[in-house]
Amino acid sequence: KNEVEQSPQNLTAQEGEFITINCSYSVGISALHWLQQHPGGGIVSLFMLSSGKKKHGRLIATINIQEKHSSLHITASHPRDSAVYICAVHLQGGSEKLVFGKGTKLTVNP
Amino acid sequence: DSGVTQTPKHLITATGQRVTLRCSPRSGDLSVYWYQQSLDQGLQFLIQYYNGEERAKGNILERFSAQQFPDLHSELNLSSLELGDSALYFCASSVAPNTGELFFGEGSRLTVL
Repeated sequence: KNEVEQSPQNLTAQEGEFITINCSYSVGISALHWLQQHPGGGIVSLFMLSSGKKKHGRLIATINIQEKHSSLHITASHPRDSAVYICAVHLQGGSEKLVFGKGTKLTVNP
Repeated sequence: DSGVTQTPKHLITATGQRVTLRCSPRSGDLSVYWYQQSLDQGLQFLIQYYNGEERAKGNILERFSAQQFPDLHSELNLSSLELGDSALYFCASSVAPNTGELFFGEGSRLTVL
C-alpha cells in the first residue's frame, strides 16, 4: 500500500461544478503539499499545509492531521483547471524527502 | 515563470551513455531538490541539497550523482543509462529546507533509446 493515496484517480466535471480531490496518508507528516501539473508537464505548487485550511482564489485546501486526510476543493471549475493534481507529504521528523501520491487527473468540460 | 531554470528541456541519448542535467534555482533559494517522474512510478524524490551540502537522499540509483555548486546551481549526472531511465527529471527550489512553497522548473525530458 502506498504511503499516500489519492482519490479519485480520474475525474471529469462540467464547467462550473464544485470539485473535491482527496488525499489520505498512512505516516506521520510535518506538512502536505498540493501540486498542479499541466498537460505540458510543468508543476506548480498550490498549497503547503500543516494544519487547518488555506484558500487562494477558487482553490481551497484543508487538512485533518488526526484523520490523516487532506482535501483540495475547486469552486466554479473551469476548463483551464484541467490538470493532474498531486498530493505530497513531508515525513515527520523534519525530513526534506517528499512522498508523492499518484495524482488525480481532472478534466473540466465546457 | 517559477524562476527555476532547467536545461536541457529535451535530451535523446543511447543506452550506456552519460548525461548531465542542470538546474539554476530561483534567486535567493538555497535548497535544490531533484525528482524523477516516470510513467509507471510517478514522481519520486531523488536528492536534496542545501547551500552546497547534501541534505537528504531518496531513491537515487548509484549510477546517478548530483552536486550543488557555490553559485547554488545544481547538476544531476546520470551514467550507464538504461531504457528505464527515460523520464522527466524535475528540479525544484525553496528558500530553505521544509519551509514552504516549492518552485519547480519545467523539467528535462530524457529519452534513452
